[in-house]
Amino acid sequence: DQQVKQNSPSLSVQEGRISILNCDYTNSMFDYFLWYKKYPAEGPTFLISISSIKDKNEDGRFTVFLNKSAKHLSLHIVPSQPGDSAVYFCAMIQGGSQGNLIFGKGTKLSVKP
Amino acid sequence: DTAVSQTPKYLVTQMGNDKSIKCEQNLGHDTMYWYKQDSKKFLKIMFSYNNKELIINETVPNRFSPKSPDKAHLNLHINSLELGDSAVYFCASSQNALGGDTQYFGPGTRLTVL
Repeated sequence: DQQVKQNSPSLSVQEGRISILNCDYTNSMFDYFLWYKKYPAEGPTFLISISSIKDKNEDGRFTVFLNKSAKHLSLHIVPSQPGDSAVYFCAMIQGGSQGNLIFGKGTKLSVKP
Repeated sequence: DTAVSQTPKYLVTQMGNDKSIKCEQNLGHDTMYWYKQDSKKFLKIMFSYNNKELIINETVPNRFSPKSPDKAHLNLHINSLELGDSAVYFCASSQNALGGDTQYFGPGTRLTVL
């Protein structure tokens, strides 16, 4: 039973445009949400996070949005750059779960020059 | 300097063998983890150690035995390897086991069981 779903396995975007990556979850007890980026043959790298008390967090070109009522998380990248091409995983954790991150399956983003 | 390192990067072995994967972090973190990414690309936690003590042990066959000789190391030993163990195994660490702590991942070890 998947608690975290990334329904788009891939996304292709033109350089300079916005990339929007989506993630849905079922467990209302999650209270911390993260995005990781992964290049081939490397481990996931932390990108940005948001706690359940907020609905938006911004860091440079990256903005994460949280809609708790819809149980929906999204990552916006503006403007997209070719170096952003990677697999993006959303991950979430329940308070008190002692580090048990639950990951989505990932979305492969391709940014074309 | 590599923050979280794993060895080996690739491991090819026969069914029934016993193998180990090593993980070291130089971040001074208290908590370390092992994740498995299977053929369906899901990253799932296997174990978590905080200050050398086991705090998470998901439903993993007891053929898998983590060992933490000190806070900076968490090794994974696998006995009697099976075909289904083929996957990429990632080690990670975080400052502690609190929910908001960022986990930093190693580069992964691709295990292929023939």
